[in-house]
Amino acid sequence: EAQVTQNPRYLITVTGKKLTVTCSQNMNHEYMSWYRQDPGLGLRQIYYSMNVEVTDKGDVPEGYKVSRKEKRNFPLILESPSPNQTSLYFCASSFDSYEQYFGPGTRLTVT
Amino acid sequence: GDSVTQMEGPVTLSEEAFLTINCTYTATGYPSLFWYVQYPGEGLQLLLKATKADDKGSNKGFEATYRKETTSFHLEKGSVQVSDSAVYFCALMGTGNQFYFGTGTSLTVIP
Repeated sequence: EAQVTQNPRYLITVTGKKLTVTCSQNMNHEYMSWYRQDPGLGLRQIYYSMNVEVTDKGDVPEGYKVSRKEKRNFPLILESPSPNQTSLYFCASSFDSYEQYFGPGTRLTVT
Repeated sequence: GDSVTQMEGPVTLSEEAFLTINCTYTATGYPSLFWYVQYPGEGLQLLLKATKADDKGSNKGFEATYRKETTSFHLEKGSVQVSDSAVYFCALMGTGNQFYFGTGTSLTVIP
């Protein structure tokens, strides 16, 4: 089954404790992206990647890191999480960046 | 910079009513435009897209026309059903394949 998977689905952590949210797709897509969804703000793009070893900043990259060492994986790293990074995070992938397939979301709470 | 502004919700309609959700955009160059839909507890799914001026995207009875002269991409459906209840996001893909989403419009259709 074609899908985008994210782990964990739910995470509660404390300020400053490094964490990684994994994202994997099995569709051989070149384009992958991370978004955060906040009430009243819609989705905002954090980082995106057009291909392996190619990453670009989106609208809100501060406080986040990504890497694209393999085509199928695109982890999101929070080196020192803060409460303002409490949000719902979505990973997405696309063959040509037009039709994006979204993962189920990761709900992160930073206390 | 690029941005999308969409009609605030929530919108409540009776079954078989006509739906319009307004979306306008600001962009340099010639963006591609999208409508995505999010059902409760799920990630977003592409509903329709238009990649150049005057294109009409359509899917599942929904339509939207890319109007360059008014920088708009309004979503319409002639007769909504209860199953159309969801949150709808207008989005654009700008220069460098970066995405910008609107804040989302919640639609509830009552029988």
